[in-house]
Amino acid sequence: DAGITQSPRHKVTETGTPVTLRCHQTENHRYMYWYRQDPGHGLRLIHYSYGVKDTDKGEVSDGYSVSRSKTEDFLLTLESATSSQTSVYFCAIRLQGAAGNTIYFGEGSWLTVV
Amino acid sequence: EDKVVQSPLSLVVHEGDTVTLNCSYEVTNFRSLLWYKQEKKAPTFLFMLTSSGIEKKSGRLSSILDKKELFSILNITATQTGDSAVYLCAVVLNFGNEKLTFGTGTRLTIIP
Repeated sequence: DAGITQSPRHKVTETGTPVTLRCHQTENHRYMYWYRQDPGHGLRLIHYSYGVKDTDKGEVSDGYSVSRSKTEDFLLTLESATSSQTSVYFCAIRLQGAAGNTIYFGEGSWLTVV
Repeated sequence: EDKVVQSPLSLVVHEGDTVTLNCSYEVTNFRSLLWYKQEKKAPTFLFMLTSSGIEKKSGRLSSILDKKELFSILNITATQTGDSAVYLCAVVLNFGNEKLTFGTGTRLTIIP
């Protein structure tokens, strides 16, 4: 447990509605990530953050935006949800170690867009 | 394009068997390779490998990296039903932000 909490854990929403997923961490980690996981594609990076108000796009960022107004919270917003965004979303943080850095994941948020 | 390929895609063995999972990669600016175990929830970290030929070991699990041939293996000996999971391999790229590129995983099923 790397002190990551995701909310909501499960959500069903309608096509066209905005959705925000929240990732909260308690250990002051600088780097935070949002991934989605889909069958046949594995885990793919949506957006990441390297500090307050510092964010950048990953490989599947279209249709998503993020915000990081304080260190502990990294928000992922689906501006107008589509069925192709039905997925499991994982937040992750980076832990720095002497031998290198490792990535730890939150418990996931299951999103269904109907 | 950076690529991480895991094999086999799935594997079914009997309890007590030994298994070897493979991860090969073609990436620029390799920094390290990570192994994760994923059951029905979040991936949990197993190993980080940065140097060739140095085995990492944790109980019945071990892993090694070959940076010349661009692959890693994860071995599990004396498998148990609790080892049933998807095993993910990820390569960390040295771009400062250290983004991960994941393989699609190997689904391991252990039959009692």
